[in-house]
Amino acid sequence: NAGVTQTPKFQVLKTGQSMTLQCAQDMNHEYMSWYRQDPGMGLRLIHYSVGAGITDQGEVPNGYNVSRSTTEDFPLRLLSAAPSQTSVYFCASRSGTPEANYGYTFGSGTRLTVV
Amino acid sequence: DQQVKQNSPSLSVQEGRISILNCDYTNSMFDYFLWYKKYPAEGPTFLISISSIKDKNEDGRFTVFLNKSAKHLSLHIVPSQPGDSAVYFCAASPQGGKLTFGTGTRLTIIP
Repeated sequence: NAGVTQTPKFQVLKTGQSMTLQCAQDMNHEYMSWYRQDPGMGLRLIHYSVGAGITDQGEVPNGYNVSRSTTEDFPLRLLSAAPSQTSVYFCASRSGTPEANYGYTFGSGTRLTVV
Repeated sequence: DQQVKQNSPSLSVQEGRISILNCDYTNSMFDYFLWYKKYPAEGPTFLISISSIKDKNEDGRFTVFLNKSAKHLSLHIVPSQPGDSAVYFCAASPQGGKLTFGTGTRLTIIP
């Protein structure tokens, strides 16, 4: 089925470890974003991309890197995991055409625990 | 600084009655507003949106109202059904820009 695929679904890391959260979409969407969801904080934007080769920081970018080498993929890298990065991470994408309703399609999330 | 605010963390409504979820924003550059619904262990799903050139948008049981002067929008669900129990997020975006979410309201429909 078409959509946004996130892997892994669950991950436990030790403090200081690095890892990459994968995100792929097969809808040829130009816009892709990474959000984290924490209790009482809603969804906060980490990084954002409007197309291959173009990325921008969101509200909470520290400790995370992204790259967008293809339209389909938008991986999120944790450089040195910290307990404060324990969260549920969502990747999302949407079309950049003027007719798009700005409604992002979200993946099912990655639950990350840093111990 | 929270640019999109949902001041009610939770709301309980009887089945068949109207559910009204509220959202306030502070950024005058926002010109597109959306509501998302989220079930546990799933990603948010897009529900309904409204452009700043309108004050109302309707889709079946869901209606979104926008009051630009008050920087306030609301989502009305009529009639409320048990399957509507979920967390609802309000979100806003400037033209073609980044989407900013509120903190969410947990809606519980009481049978």
